[in-house]
Amino acid sequence: DQQVKQNSPSLSVQEGRISILNCDYTNSMFDYFLWYKKYPAEGPTFLISISSIKDKNEDGRFTVFLNKSAKHLSLHIVPSQPGDSAVYFCAASANSGAGSYQLTFGKGTKLSVIP
Amino acid sequence: NAGVMQNPRHLVRRRGQEARLRCSPMKGHSHVYWYRQLPEEGLKFMVYLQKENIIDESGMPKERFSAEFPKEGPSILRIQQVVRGDSAAYFCASSDLYGQPQHFGDGTRLSIL
Repeated sequence: DQQVKQNSPSLSVQEGRISILNCDYTNSMFDYFLWYKKYPAEGPTFLISISSIKDKNEDGRFTVFLNKSAKHLSLHIVPSQPGDSAVYFCAASANSGAGSYQLTFGKGTKLSVIP
Repeated sequence: NAGVMQNPRHLVRRRGQEARLRCSPMKGHSHVYWYRQLPEEGLKFMVYLQKENIIDESGMPKERFSAEFPKEGPSILRIQQVVRGDSAAYFCASSDLYGQPQHFGDGTRLSIL
């Protein structure tokens, strides 16, 4: 059973426009959420995170929104740039659990930013 | 380079051989995590270690797989008697004592002939 779901395998956006990547989760014990960007043949790069006590976190062009009641989070990239083209992974952790910080990942969304 | 270092980047083994994957965490990090990514899949947690201790191995296969993080030296993920299904990208991540965020290395691509 997939606890973190990214239902869009791919997304194409025009350069300069907003990219919105979505993520849903089922485990109510998750209390910390992260977004990673991954290029081919490289490891995931941490982008931005949010704790469950917040509903928004912003860092430059990247904003993450969390809707706990809907168990949904989204990543907004504004404005989108060609260098943002990559696979984006949503990940979640139950930090207040038994002391393990293991991350549960979605399958990823491939973002293509068209010049 | 103060990032997470993994080696080798690519490893080819024949069925039945042993594979050893190494990971040096970021400077100042004492927590190490191993994840596996199969083609077209997300990363799956395998094991979480601190120096000389396995904290959570709930994602490790019960047989043939083991991990260690000795007092000195890198963390090692060991796969004995490899099979074709072990072919995957293996990623190591590290964090400070707060656990998040985790920072990843560039992975080891394991191919089984």
